[in-house]
Amino acid sequence: DVKVTQSSRYLVKRTGEKVFLECVQDMDHENMFWYRQDPGLGLRLIYFSYDVKMKEKGDIPEGYSVSREKKERFSLILESASTNQTSMYLCASSLTMNTEAFFGQGTRLTVV
Amino acid sequence: TQLLEQSPQFLSIQEGENLTVYCNSSSVFSSLQWYRQEPGEGPVLLVTVVTGGEVKKLKRLTFQFGDARKDSSLHITAAQPGDTGLYLCAGSVIGSQGNLIFGKGTKLSVKP
Repeated sequence: DVKVTQSSRYLVKRTGEKVFLECVQDMDHENMFWYRQDPGLGLRLIYFSYDVKMKEKGDIPEGYSVSREKKERFSLILESASTNQTSMYLCASSLTMNTEAFFGQGTRLTVV
Repeated sequence: TQLLEQSPQFLSIQEGENLTVYCNSSSVFSSLQWYRQEPGEGPVLLVTVVTGGEVKKLKRLTFQFGDARKDSSLHITAAQPGDTGLYLCAGSVIGSQGNLIFGKGTKLSVKP
């Protein structure tokens, strides 16, 4: 079974802090994704990566950056956390760009 | 514009009832997936449908892909409290090299 693991289930950070969310997958998938999920807005794509060191902006990249130094690891960085970044963050991986996505358990981030 | 419309948005039923939720689009999809997301967790893939008119069964869950591959439905027979969760459909538009598109989901609550 594909396993996608996010480093934290819950995080509380202060406004202005730099925040790192880590994600690791064990199925040698080329593609990895970061989404945020908010009530009424559904899943929104922040960034994705189709290869090591490659990254592409999704629908809402502002205020975020990503890093993919190894195939199995995809990190989401909040450069300066703000309260409007309080959300559920979901990492996913897939074999090809538009096939089934396998999700991590999610990180509930609260910025105070 | 939401490419994948899910209905209803919310559904609250009693244990033992049957229900159907829908996923509709004006676009043609090469495949469609259904996911279930329990509170505080990441989405989990239930099924992928690929062929127009295809029907797949997963215990008490029946998934159907429309003949024109523009819509899909999920029918649950004799719902149980364990079916409670957010049901998401997702797919890739035919001919597109883009990412998966997600609907906003149907939030199902099954009361004992």
